[in-house]
Amino acid sequence: AQSVTQLDSQVPVFEEAPVELRCNYSSSVSVYLFWYVQYPNQGLQLLLKYLSGSTLVKGINGFEAEFNKSQTSFHLRKPSVHISDTAEYFCAVSSAGGTSYGKLTFGQGTILTVHP
Amino acid sequence: DSGVTQTPKHLITATGQRVTLRCSPRSGDLSVYWYQQSLDQGLQFLIQYYNGEERAKGNILERFSAQQFPDLHSELNLSSLELGDSALYFCASSRASGGSYEQYFGPGTRLTVT
Repeated sequence: AQSVTQLDSQVPVFEEAPVELRCNYSSSVSVYLFWYVQYPNQGLQLLLKYLSGSTLVKGINGFEAEFNKSQTSFHLRKPSVHISDTAEYFCAVSSAGGTSYGKLTFGQGTILTVHP
Repeated sequence: DSGVTQTPKHLITATGQRVTLRCSPRSGDLSVYWYQQSLDQGLQFLIQYYNGEERAKGNILERFSAQQFPDLHSELNLSSLELGDSALYFCASSRASGGSYEQYFGPGTRLTVT
């Protein structure tokens, strides 16, 4: 079984400030890791993913995340946020192989609010 | 626009009723996933189909069922509806079956049970 914990339910920041959204996971097998963003009244959009290789992955809209296997974490960062980054962010995992067939297990979400 | 379409966008119905949610995957995608998003349970995986065959099941109630048709569109059937079934239901599609394949999400169907 897998689980994902997003350590902050809400993160308020000012425009142009850096932000970090924290995600820890638990799994007995190797995993793939994802960050999705959900804007109000919309579906989920993939920001970035870690499958293998370099532990620092870059995504869309200036976001990046670092996979830390020893700490089972996959924190999302952006050096300078914009008002348009206000949204809910979800961390997710899927099993790398086995019989999961790709189903995603999501964290509870972090609402990022960017203030002017 | 992800290329995944879901109909209807909104659905309001009464307890005890039955509804059908429809999903058309992106062109060329063989795998369809259904997820439920609610305030108390968050985002939960329900069921996956790949090329017409059921591949994986999650926390799907026995009152719920799904299928994927030869043209690869999928339907999620919810019956004997209860107030607690009110939620946003997402469909996602991917090229194939497996964790490395990106899932593209539709805009969702918001179900309200009164």
